[in-house]
Amino acid sequence: EDKVVQSPLSLVVHEGDTVTLNCSYEVTNFRSLLWYKQEKKAPTFLFMLTSSGIEKKSGRLSSILDKKELFSILNITATQTGDSAIYLCAGSNYGGATNKLIFGTGTLLAVQP
Amino acid sequence: KAGVTQTPRYLIKTRGQQVTLSCSPISGHRSVSWYQQTPGQGLQFLFEYFSETQRNKGNFPGRFSGRQFSNSRSEMNVSTLELGDSALYLCASTGTGWSEQYFGPGTRLTVT
Repeated sequence: EDKVVQSPLSLVVHEGDTVTLNCSYEVTNFRSLLWYKQEKKAPTFLFMLTSSGIEKKSGRLSSILDKKELFSILNITATQTGDSAIYLCAGSNYGGATNKLIFGTGTLLAVQP
Repeated sequence: KAGVTQTPRYLIKTRGQQVTLSCSPISGHRSVSWYQQTPGQGLQFLFEYFSETQRNKGNFPGRFSGRQFSNSRSEMNVSTLELGDSALYLCASTGTGWSEQYFGPGTRLTVT
């Protein structure tokens, strides 16, 4: 059965710290790995990774995928209180020409001032 | 470009009733996926529609159903509601090819 596991489950840091969130996956016919940030309601899209070793970057956030070891990391540098959220990663596969995403349970990040 | 919209935003129903939720995808997006989010199970895939056809279905009972219209708007229906159906129901739309999914604000369903 396809699964995505995130660690840690929760994390408390202070503003300015750097954090690394982990995501490992076992997804049949893997296609891509996606990261989302969820604050109050809808998850907002951060990154989609399809190729190994190519870092994607957006401001203080960056992410990379390792398709050999089946994991991805999300880095946040110089954290701010506005980064407090649940970070979700999800795997997608090629099975059945579908856009189904398999989500991990998320990492709850709390950034204290 | 307008984002994904969902209605209603909040809903309170009684056990045994049925409910219909609506989702309008981003203009031009033809794929709509539905997810259920609960504190215990996280985000779980319900089903996906593309061009009015269901392309995939998750492991949910037959009480959960959906459909998609020719304008790509989608509805999901839950019949004979149970307390465990209380959750945030999210829909997501996807553009052409294997691109990222964009989520709507969700419908918070409470079953009493």
